[in-house]
Amino acid sequence: NAGVTQTPKFRILKIGQSMTLQCAQDMNHNYMYWYRQDPGMGLKLIYYSVGAGITDKGEVPNGYNVSRSTTEDFPLRLELAAPSQTSVYFCASSYYGGAEAFFGQGTRLTVV
Amino acid sequence: DAKTTQPTSMDCAEGRAANLPCNHSTISGNEYVYWYRQIHSQGPQYIIHGLKNNETNEMASLIITEDRKSSTLILPHATLRDTAVYYCIVEGSNYKLTFGKGTLLTVNP
Repeated sequence: NAGVTQTPKFRILKIGQSMTLQCAQDMNHNYMYWYRQDPGMGLKLIYYSVGAGITDKGEVPNGYNVSRSTTEDFPLRLELAAPSQTSVYFCASSYYGGAEAFFGQGTRLTVV
Repeated sequence: DAKTTQPTSMDCAEGRAANLPCNHSTISGNEYVYWYRQIHSQGPQYIIHGLKNNETNEMASLIITEDRKSSTLILPHATLRDTAVYYCIVEGSNYKLTFGKGTLLTVNP
């Protein structure tokens, strides 16, 4: 099992550009999550999904969109990138709510 | 959702036990306590979780007080590779995990 795979690992965006952060898991997990982590801070939940076709907002959803068309994939879309979205983004998955969550290695995004 | 309070940083000598405290005085009766750690800037790693009984696995032990208002994560024989930020988390609604700033544990040789 590859676990949770995030692509790309690094990206520099210009203000106003858009991009999609990819997240895939091969563990047949139902729950998937997107977090962001600013320097020196803890992780903040952006969006989560409890299964294909079901998504919900977390703590900081503004400026982001998600979709969950398959169990395996949970892409995060940034529209009109802003400097405040410079952060490290982590995707995670768990088999069910409350189970051990597995995290990807992160995507480091810089918006200039 | 219940919040947690952890010390900002702690030191531990290599080979000794590391005891990381966490206060969660507003925890509800059916909310679990989770511990994760983040080494350098990698993705967080699950360590252990529990409800009210003490728990032990190959990585650590979790001691939860009888009133459930606090807990302690114990790494029995800390190594240099255990240097990391440790997060104590109380499971929120819809099983969401809210990460605070955690405790930076530095294991010294």
